[in-house]
Amino acid sequence: QVQLVQSGAEVKKPGASVKVSCKASGYTFAIYDINWVRQATGQGLEWMGWMNPNSGNTGYAQNFQGRFTMTRNTSISTAYMELSSLRSEDTAVYYCARNRRGDRYFDYWGQGTLVTVSS
Amino acid sequence: DIQMTQSPSTLSASIGDRVTITCRASQSISSWLAWYQQKPGKAPKLLIYKASSLESGVPSRFGGSGSGTEFTLTISSLQPDDFATYYCQQYNSYSYTFGQGTKLQI
Repeated sequence: QVQLVQSGAEVKKPGASVKVSCKASGYTFAIYDINWVRQATGQGLEWMGWMNPNSGNTGYAQNFQGRFTMTRNTSISTAYMELSSLRSEDTAVYYCARNRRGDRYFDYWGQGTLVTVSS
Repeated sequence: DIQMTQSPSTLSASIGDRVTITCRASQSISSWLAWYQQKPGKAPKLLIYKASSLESGVPSRFGGSGSGTEFTLTISSLQPDDFATYYCQQYNSYSYTFGQGTKLQI
C-alpha cells in the first residue's frame, strides 16, 4: 500500500535551518509529484511547493521562494524539504503529499512533522 | 494567487442532518477543485476531486458540485465520524491554494 513516512519532530532556534524527509513506499516514487504543505497550530493548510522526483523540477509558492528548497534521492525513494532562516512563525506541522498521477490534487499524505522554532 | 473563501467557518449540526459547505474562488477555476477532511492530529484525507468526483472508498453521503467560482460540499446525512474540519483546494493554477477551512461540530 502507498505510504509516505516523514522524519520526526524538530526543535530549532531562530535563524537555523531544518530538513524534513518523506520516504515513499508502495508505488514508483519517480512518477508522482511530491508537494509540501504546512499547518500552523489551529490554522489552515498552506501549500509550499511541488517537486517532480524524476526530473527534479520544482515549483514554489511565492511566500516560500528563497528560503525553501525541495530535493530528492530517488535511490531511496525519499523527498526532502529544507527551510532556512527559521523564525517563530515557521512553527507548524509540515506534510508531504503526493499528486494523483497526471493530476494536481493530493491523494496520499505523510503523517506530518512538527517543527518548533523557539529560542 | 487565486484566493479561496469557505463559508461558514464553523457549522453546528446534528447526526442525520444534511449540511452544505461553500467554497468560492477569486477567479474561475473551471472544475479544478478538491475537498479534504481533516481530523485533529491527522493528515487531511481526500474526499472529492474535479469538483464532483468521489474518491474511492469515500462514503456516498459525500457529494460535490459547482464550477467556475462557486462550489459546494454536501453531506447528505451526518454520521458521528463526519465531525471534522473540511478544506477546499484549487488546482487550476500551479500555485495551489486552500480555503481557510470549515469546522463541522456537534
